[in-house]
Formats: sequence, C-alpha cells, structure tokens
Amino acid sequence: AQSVTQPDIHITVSEGASLELRCNYSYGATPYLFWYVQSPGQGLQLLLKYFSGDTLVQGIKGFEAEFKRSQSSFNLRKPSVHWSDAAEYFCAVLIPSGGSYIPTFGRGTSLIVHP
Amino acid sequence: DGGITQSPKYLFRKEGQNVTLSCEQNLNHDAMYWYRQDPGQGLRLIYYSQIVNDFQKGDIAEGYSVSREKKESFPLTVTSAQKNPTAFYLCASSIEGSTGGYGYTFGSGTRLTVV
Repeated sequence: AQSVTQPDIHITVSEGASLELRCNYSYGATPYLFWYVQSPGQGLQLLLKYFSGDTLVQGIKGFEAEFKRSQSSFNLRKPSVHWSDAAEYFCAVLIPSGGSYIPTFGRGTSLIVHP
Repeated sequence: DGGITQSPKYLFRKEGQNVTLSCEQNLNHDAMYWYRQDPGQGLRLIYYSQIVNDFQKGDIAEGYSVSREKKESFPLTVTSAQKNPTAFYLCASSIEGSTGGYGYTFGSGTRLTVV
C-alpha cells in the first residue's frame, strides 16, 4: 500500500528564514503529489501540485516544491517565511487504482514562526 | 462563489445518539469525500463517493454511514456505534474521472464533541 511520510511533526523557524518541509512517499511509479496548508479550525487549501514534467513546482504564497524521483521525495520550500505562514502543512499523494484516484495524506507538519 | 459548505461548524452529541454532518458543494464536482482529523494523525478517509447513488468505504468507515442522493450533497452520519467520535471532520470534493488529480477542494470542517 502506498504511504506518505512527513518525518517532522513540528518545525520552528524565525521570520525571514528559509523553510523546508519534508515529504517522502512509497510507490513504485510516480504518483500525483500535493501540498496543502491548514489554518487552525479551517479546511485545507491547496498550495501546489505535481503531475509530471518540470520537477520544480511553483505554488501560491511563494511556496515551491521539488520532486526527486531517486529519493521518493517532494519537499516544500519557501525562501523567506512570514509570520502568517504559521499553520499545519500536509503532503498528499494520489495514486491511480482501477480508474479511481484516492488521496493519502501524511500526518502533517506544524510550522511555528518566531518573530 | 463556488465552494463546499459544511454545517454546523460545531456540534455536540450525547453518547448513544446519531448525528448527521452536512456537506454541500456547488462546484459540479463528481467525487466527494469525508475525512476525520485527529491531532497528530493527519487525515483519515472515512467514505468517498465518485458518482450519485454510489459510495465506498475508506480506511475507518466503522461507525459511520453516508448517502449520495444528489451530486451536490454528501451527508455523513456518525452513529452510536462509533466509539470515539470526538474529532474534526472535513468534507472534500474533486473533479473525478480517469484523468483525476486536479486537487481537492475542502470545506471548513465540523468539530464534533461528545458530551
């Protein structure tokens, strides 16, 4: 079965510092990959997605992610974090199965931003 | 504006009662999903539906039931058989089909508490 691993439960950065959130997946081929952000008590908002092609994907709010097939990773990055980026971040994979696509989410990484 | 509406935002249930969480979308999406979110566990799939009058169990369907009588609506009933129903429930929808992978639109969630 496919799985998604976000190894960091919490990440703390200072405002203005760079950020990298890790995501690894287990699947034989290349899945569809997503990053979502969740503010407290809210639903999830799509930041970016990767289907194929250029392995560096640009998203909203200044985020980007790089797909590395050799490492089965899809890490999320931002060069300069803002206090408003503090939230929960989820990596998700979407793997085709009999014509259906059901997403599997990682457990999430909580981002804390210090002023 | 198109989107997903979940209601109520907060719900309290006495032990032994069934409660129904509402999820309505006006995005004309084919597929709809219910997730349960607990601290530190990410999102776990309860049920999903790809077409009207059809739905499948997810990873944690026990103690839950759904219906999909209309494309726009996918209500979730938390039955008395669900032993630990206190959680945050998220509804999502997507453009389903063989091309899949367009990403998911989430509602803002319902927080259910057993009292």
